[in-house]
Amino acid sequence: EAGVTQFPSHSVIEKGQTVTLRCDPISGHDNLYWYRRVMGKEIKFLLHFVKESKQDESGMPNNRFLAERTGGTYSTLKVQPAELEDSGVYFCASSQALAGRRYFGPGTRLTVT
Amino acid sequence: AQSVTQLDSHVSVSEGTPVLLRCNYSSSYSPSLFWYVQHPNKGLQLLLKYTSAATLVKGINGFEAEFKKSETSFHLTKPSAHMSDAAEYFCVVSEDAGGTSYGKLTFGQGTILTVHP
Repeated sequence: EAGVTQFPSHSVIEKGQTVTLRCDPISGHDNLYWYRRVMGKEIKFLLHFVKESKQDESGMPNNRFLAERTGGTYSTLKVQPAELEDSGVYFCASSQALAGRRYFGPGTRLTVT
Repeated sequence: AQSVTQLDSHVSVSEGTPVLLRCNYSSSYSPSLFWYVQHPNKGLQLLLKYTSAATLVKGINGFEAEFKKSETSFHLTKPSAHMSDAAEYFCVVSEDAGGTSYGKLTFGQGTILTVHP
């Protein structure tokens, strides 16, 4: 069984540019989560999809971040325009059930210069 | 509200000696508690999970953790460290209110474990 995959593994962009991160969950997992870790801080929840619907987006920092999960399969997280403080590692996780085990991807390291 | 505090940002041990990674939590409801490990360039991997069954939880790779409600602690231990245990470890809490599990996990700050030969 393939695990959660994320693309790209690393992205370096300039302040003001746009970046789109992608997450492919494990096939059949309805629940998809985004987390991020900025430098020196703890990993923080961003949002939670159940299929294509946003169940909880309380962790999204501001309206420069847009997450989508069209068709309830893969998800994208767009940052537009990127700011320096957006640098960090963005993790995606998926689970079959809400209370089920979460499987994490390796993360995308975003560097904004 | 829930929170997690990992008491040590770095722990260094010699191979073959015991490992203790400390975690304290705060939760308004009956929590589920987890330890995750992240090796370099890898995803977060679940080590073990506590969900109100036995207070001593055994995980993978010889790790175990004990839930102590009176101390609000969930420390991770291993009797004998191996070089491959070098990684970053995260204590995590998920609240379970009224029988409904929430999707949001709250992470501690992480503890980097270094194992010396």
